[in-house]
Amino acid sequence: DSGVTQTPKHLITATGQRVTLRCSPRSGDLSVYWYQQSLDQGLQFLIQYYNGEERAKGNILERFSAQQFPDLHSELNLSSLELGDSALYFCASSRWGLPEVNEQFFGPGTRLTVL
Amino acid sequence: LAKTTQPISMDSYEGQEVNITCSHNNIATNDYITWYQQFPSQGPRFIIQGYKTKVTNEVASLFIPADRKSSTLSLPRVSLSDTAVYYCLVGGGNYQLIWGAGTKLIIKP
Repeated sequence: DSGVTQTPKHLITATGQRVTLRCSPRSGDLSVYWYQQSLDQGLQFLIQYYNGEERAKGNILERFSAQQFPDLHSELNLSSLELGDSALYFCASSRWGLPEVNEQFFGPGTRLTVL
Repeated sequence: LAKTTQPISMDSYEGQEVNITCSHNNIATNDYITWYQQFPSQGPRFIIQGYKTKVTNEVASLFIPADRKSSTLSLPRVSLSDTAVYYCLVGGGNYQLIWGAGTKLIIKP
């Protein structure tokens, strides 16, 4: 158990809908990362927050957004969903944020299926 | 941005040493190299991290040549439980994290 929690574990929705994925980091970690893992593209870094502020942005679509709250939990919002958004979404946390490279602790993931 | 390339799959046998190499020709000066292990239906787990030369911990070694354009993860005396996907990650210095596509390692008895 990494100490990172993600909810829900599974999510099934329809094209055009909007969903919110939630992540709670390990106790003491200030940084949260979001990743998308699909069969044909591997792990894609989406975005990173540090202590409530956006610190780094990867290949995140404009339809996706995220935030980190004062209690350090984070939410990833996915809107206007398409079939290609079906994937496993991971959240990870670390003590510090980029540009420092810390060990990241990954949650169990949320499997999103868009029908 | 750095691009990472690693073999898609590798096979080995229990008790052997396994070396997985990652190529990262465009690595930036401030980038670090990190390796993660992932089992099916689980999040990746940190193995080892380095900047240059050799790093060793209780489970693996990481070799990085002077030009830092590649790195090699070495797993000594593998067992069946080491069957997993291994990812090379390069980044940090330019606020980017570039993951390799992963190497599926299969250990046979």
